[in-house]
Amino acid sequence: NAGVTQTPKFRILKIGQSMTLQCAQDMNHNYMYWYRQDPGMGLKLIYYSVGAGITDKGEVPNGYNVSRSTTEDFPLRLELAAPSQTSVYFCASSRAGADTEAFFGQGTRLTVV
Amino acid sequence: AQSVTQLDSHVSVSEGTPVLLRCNYSSSYSPSLFWYVQHPNKGLQLLLKYTSAATLVKGINGFEAEFKKSETSFHLTKPSAHMSDAAEYFCVVSNPTGTASKLTFGTGTRLQVTL
Repeated sequence: NAGVTQTPKFRILKIGQSMTLQCAQDMNHNYMYWYRQDPGMGLKLIYYSVGAGITDKGEVPNGYNVSRSTTEDFPLRLELAAPSQTSVYFCASSRAGADTEAFFGQGTRLTVV
Repeated sequence: AQSVTQLDSHVSVSEGTPVLLRCNYSSSYSPSLFWYVQHPNKGLQLLLKYTSAATLVKGINGFEAEFKKSETSFHLTKPSAHMSDAAEYFCVVSNPTGTASKLTFGTGTRLQVTL
């Protein structure tokens, strides 16, 4: 019963490097989300998708890109990493919209040095 | 616009005593409200949700919350704390039109349970 799987769990990047955070869900959910969690700040929405081929910006999209070529996968791309992107990143999915239960991955802890 | 305020960043209780985690919200619409729990180094898990049915909502692990429109509150309670309840708790408000971009998280309350 995998649910939402994120890889990697931890990563250290140098300033200016790029990387992709992977997210996959096996629940056939249409909605998928990327959040970042900073200490004392709650979760902020980066990007979301309501189905394959459809993505949209959340509250804090700058410095990130996403794609959704399949229902299962929703990778998050960081281009030109900056120290401000040091955070814990969570991927989530839900069957329908914002008033249905969201299922979260275990997170990716990213440090940019 | 919508917002959510968790009134305590940290709550400490003794095992076996009641738990109260406070949440106030602001929303232009009739909101859906959630409580999520995050154990250390884990993702978030849904505890309970309110979506305009009964105002007293029961969740998992003995938690419940009461929606009070007049007070714009959605406080989380549990009659008797257990050591395994130690975690971070997030109150979340949602735009009921279902727009995915309208989930707003509170800043979290860390619950400590002592012997």
